[in-house]
Order: sequence, then structure tokens, then C-alpha cells
Amino acid sequence: QSALTQPASVSGSPGQSITISCTGTSSDVGGYDYVSWYQQHPGKAPKLMIYDVSKRPSGVSNRFSGSKSGNTASLTISGLQAEDEADYHCSSYTSSNTLEVFGGGTKLTVL
Amino acid sequence: EVQLVQSGAEVKEPGESLKISCKGSGYSFTSYWIGWVRQMPGKGLEWMGIIYPGDSDTTYSPSFQGQVTISVDKSISTAYLHWSSLKASDTAMYYCARRGYTYGFVYWGQGTLVTVSS
Repeated sequence: QSALTQPASVSGSPGQSITISCTGTSSDVGGYDYVSWYQQHPGKAPKLMIYDVSKRPSGVSNRFSGSKSGNTASLTISGLQAEDEADYHCSSYTSSNTLEVFGGGTKLTVL
Repeated sequence: EVQLVQSGAEVKEPGESLKISCKGSGYSFTSYWIGWVRQMPGKGLEWMGIIYPGDSDTTYSPSFQGQVTISVDKSISTAYLHWSSLKASDTAMYYCARRGYTYGFVYWGQGTLVTVSS
């Protein structure tokens, strides 16, 4: 069982917007602004898409945005494109002795 | 250009030891934390532990404490993940990854597939 909870799957049609949630506790997501999101295509290494809750690394499309409310962080992808179909993983700093934890991952299907 | 290049795939038997590597280039190796992440077949990412090459300060996830050892050789800008006695359940893809100026991993290696089978 992962420390952070994500839906197993989400789907959307091209051009639509989707949101993936990542729920933790006040010891991780809710207590710190250190949530990251990663995109992983099959057979590839993960790619950082969002860090510090809502910041985008250089080169990441502005169709990707992050936010947080209470113990739940969210990744929103607007204007869905076929190439967005991938697994998405959240992570957060945690005050427990593990330092950082991942969610279980969410498979995004573009219909 | 920042690069993390990992060693190649390994096939081992239960009980054998193994050390896989991750060579950093294109940046000051001693200035950024490097972590290891496990991904079992068809599963999500698991945070194993992290090391600061400058002083070898290391933190492990409780799930991996005592099961693996993370180390570095600054002289060759390389981080390692070591098992003293592999189990079939260690079969997975292992990624090394480097932090930026905050939490989260900005740069990732290509992954090393470890297969443990008799």
C-alpha cells in the first residue's frame, strides 16, 4: 500500500481537461509545499512535470498545472493530447523518517 | 548536459550479491542529492533512499533499511546500490535520480533491470 493515494485510472478525450488527485496526510502533502508529479511512458524513465506543488520545470508544457488543497494535491492536464497518455506518479516530502513518498500511480487513457 | 548513466541489466540467483551503478556527468556531482527508486513489474514507484555525495549523508526508507546499501565514489562521480543477498522479490527496475534545488527528482537514469531467479 502506497503512502499517497491516487486513482488507478482516469480517462479523457482529446482537447478535454482531466485532473488526477493525490491524497496524503498532514505529515506529507498537507504539511509541506513539496509535491512533485512525474509522467512515465511505457518502458521509459519518469519525467518531472511539476515540483513544489505548482512549479513547472523548463520545457514542460503549460497545459500541465499543479495545485493543493488540504491533504490533497492535484495535477490538471488541459487540452488533452494523445501523447499525454501515460502513467502519472505523485510524490511528497514527508516528516516521517523516509523523507519522500510516492503515490501508487495513475494510468491516463486518452480516448 | 546533465546525464545519469546506469549500469546494464543483471540476471542473478537468489542469495547472490550485486552492486549496480549510476554515473553522473555534466554537473557538480558532489553538490546534489542522488536517490534510488524501485519499480516492480507493472507497479508504481517506490522511494528507496537518497545520498548526498558531498559527505555521503544517507537516508533510507524504512522499507529498504537493512536490505540495500547506497554509496558513492566521488572520484568517479558514481553512485551505487548494493545488495548482499538477493531475493526473488528484488526483481524490478531500479532508477537513480538526481534532485534539483528542492525536493523531487529532476534528472533520471535510464534504469537498470535486475532479475533474480533460480
